[in-house]
Amino acid sequence: GQSLEQPSEVTAVEGAIVQINCTYQTSGFYGLSWYQQHDGGAPTFLSYNALDGLEETGRFSSFLSRSDSYGYLLLQELQMKDSASYFCAVYTGGFKTIFGAGTRLFVKA
Amino acid sequence: DTAVSQTPKYLVTQMGNDKSIKCEQNLGHDTMYWYKQDSKKFLKIMFSYNNKELIINETVPNRFSPKSPDKAHLNLHINSLELGDSAVYFCASSPGRTTNEKLFFGSGTQLSVL
Repeated sequence: GQSLEQPSEVTAVEGAIVQINCTYQTSGFYGLSWYQQHDGGAPTFLSYNALDGLEETGRFSSFLSRSDSYGYLLLQELQMKDSASYFCAVYTGGFKTIFGAGTRLFVKA
Repeated sequence: DTAVSQTPKYLVTQMGNDKSIKCEQNLGHDTMYWYKQDSKKFLKIMFSYNNKELIINETVPNRFSPKSPDKAHLNLHINSLELGDSAVYFCASSPGRTTNEKLFFGSGTQLSVL
């Protein structure tokens, strides 16, 4: 089967750093992406890693280790507006992206 | 200006009815998708189309019939609605060719079957 595992919930305080981990087991792998979804909203693309290493985009960074089938999303300088669900997703090729169950991030003042 | 738009935003209907959801993208993308998000927020791919051709049908009951009249539109028709069909349905698109790793989602259609 295909699976992506990520924590169901994470809580952090404003201004802190939080890391959301994702491990995957899929029949094909082209890259790992991350999406943010606020309550009642649509998932929006944050980042994509096809190669090992760290990619930085502003306050958000994403990491991939293909040999470990593992990646993470790092959010720095947390703001209240970062409270949302975060999904890791694997592009398996063949016009198919599969998603993890999502991590609910709560940012406290 | 909306990149991927889908209608309606909300759909409340009785069991056994037939309903449709429409989706349009103005990004010039070749590939479009339907995803279902259940009450636990799990996002599951249902269908993907590339240049109007069905590429993926992820073991969806044949009560669900997608139709792509052109590559900018992908509609979803659902026959004989069941309680378990209640979910949020998202349309999405991606550029196609070799760049399908980034999905652009519509705002979702919340379907409630009573």
